[in-house]
Amino acid sequence: GENVEQHPSTLSVQEGDSAVIKCTYSDSASNYFPWYKQELGKRPQLIIDIRSNVGEKKDQRIAVTLNKTAKHFSLHITETQPEDSAVYFCAASIGGSQGNLIFGKGTKLSVKP
Amino acid sequence: KAGVTQTPRYLIKTRGQQVTLSCSPISGHRSVSWYQQTPGQGLQFLFEYFSETQRNKGNFPGRFSGRQFSNSRSEMNVSTLELGDSALYLCASSLTGGSTNEQFFGPGTRLTVL
Repeated sequence: GENVEQHPSTLSVQEGDSAVIKCTYSDSASNYFPWYKQELGKRPQLIIDIRSNVGEKKDQRIAVTLNKTAKHFSLHITETQPEDSAVYFCAASIGGSQGNLIFGKGTKLSVKP
Repeated sequence: KAGVTQTPRYLIKTRGQQVTLSCSPISGHRSVSWYQQTPGQGLQFLFEYFSETQRNKGNFPGRFSGRQFSNSRSEMNVSTLELGDSALYLCASSLTGGSTNEQFFGPGTRLTVL
């Protein structure tokens, strides 16, 4: 079946450093790629998303890149802060207009002050 | 606008029992998706409802079922509970559930099966 691979599963960085999380997907029909941040005990919150007609999108310290040919997309967080510590999930839509989301297994990011 | 709400927030059941969870989407949203979240498997898609019809289904046994009402509120039911069903059950709503529609998550229902 369709799947999304996410790496690394854990990531520890010093405050101020950059963090990169990578995902690959298998469904060539996927056209929507959101990233969610989930803090401990809270619901997943959308932080950024990208659609297949765009190669890169940036929102302040967060950016996402998409390579449709290689079927991979990445999340980049610059100037990390302790409050960025959370589990990050990538996802890809499955199917066409009635598609839904398949999630990666998550990356636990720890930002050390 | 009120966010997605789920009830109950916590539930403890024993093996063999059944359980019903409820999800109220954001006003105006017509699609509701359900996910199971466990430490080992992450977020797994259960099913999606749109206009009272199940439109997509994940790879879960028939013990997991759901429905959607005319006001877009949705319920999921798990029958003959097993220990492995212990998880956080999240629902998410979106406007139409199309593949580019942003999904907003509820706080989840934490189900513990003893």
